[in-house]
Amino acid sequence: DAGITQSPRHKVTETGTPVTLRCHQTENHRYMYWYRQDPGHGLRLIHYSYGVKDTDKGEVSDGYSVSRSKTEDFLLTLESATSSQTSVYFCAITPGGRGGANVLTFGAGSRLTVL
Amino acid sequence: QKEVEQDPGPLSVPEGAIVSLNCTYSNSAFQYFMWYRQYSRKGPELLMYTYSSGNKEDGRFTAQVDKSSKYISLFIRDSQPSDSATYLCAMSASGTASKLTFGTGTRLQVTL
Repeated sequence: DAGITQSPRHKVTETGTPVTLRCHQTENHRYMYWYRQDPGHGLRLIHYSYGVKDTDKGEVSDGYSVSRSKTEDFLLTLESATSSQTSVYFCAITPGGRGGANVLTFGAGSRLTVL
Repeated sequence: QKEVEQDPGPLSVPEGAIVSLNCTYSNSAFQYFMWYRQYSRKGPELLMYTYSSGNKEDGRFTAQVDKSSKYISLFIRDSQPSDSATYLCAMSASGTASKLTFGTGTRLQVTL
């Protein structure tokens, strides 16, 4: 997981509380992604960013928001956590462009439990 | 129906066996095909990357893509206990900002 760090790695919270997960990269890659991984569903894209302040929705974006104020940081926020958001969240990065597109490097994951 | 289908396993094989992992897909726009390996409680790591149809070999691993059948495969020769992991297929269309669609993963166990 060199060059990409997720925090916190583990979090237990209660329904209705806000939660922010942080992804930090030292690779200066343009693209950053947030995925969630659940049994029977695999990895599903929540949101992604293609530059500072440029973000877009993935297939499971409801209940999540993101922000990217610096190249190196991509934040995922659950405004009011629900039990259905209990999951393992992965951040990924890629430089994009020819030869780099589609080659994602993943972080170690953040395990979130919403009680 | 999911865009990408993958048998979840688990698949258990003896050390030294040849392993075949497969995915089918429905979106004919997919052009980039990848296999990721994920060890327990770790992030996925890229194993193989293929563009369009054909074969690609890297050591004990061979990736095959058959776009006419919408079918991709990963073969592992001389499997080792260290190959025990979950294998995820992933694919994307051109111009999609690297938004990958993943299979659910196949869990592989290589026994001594």
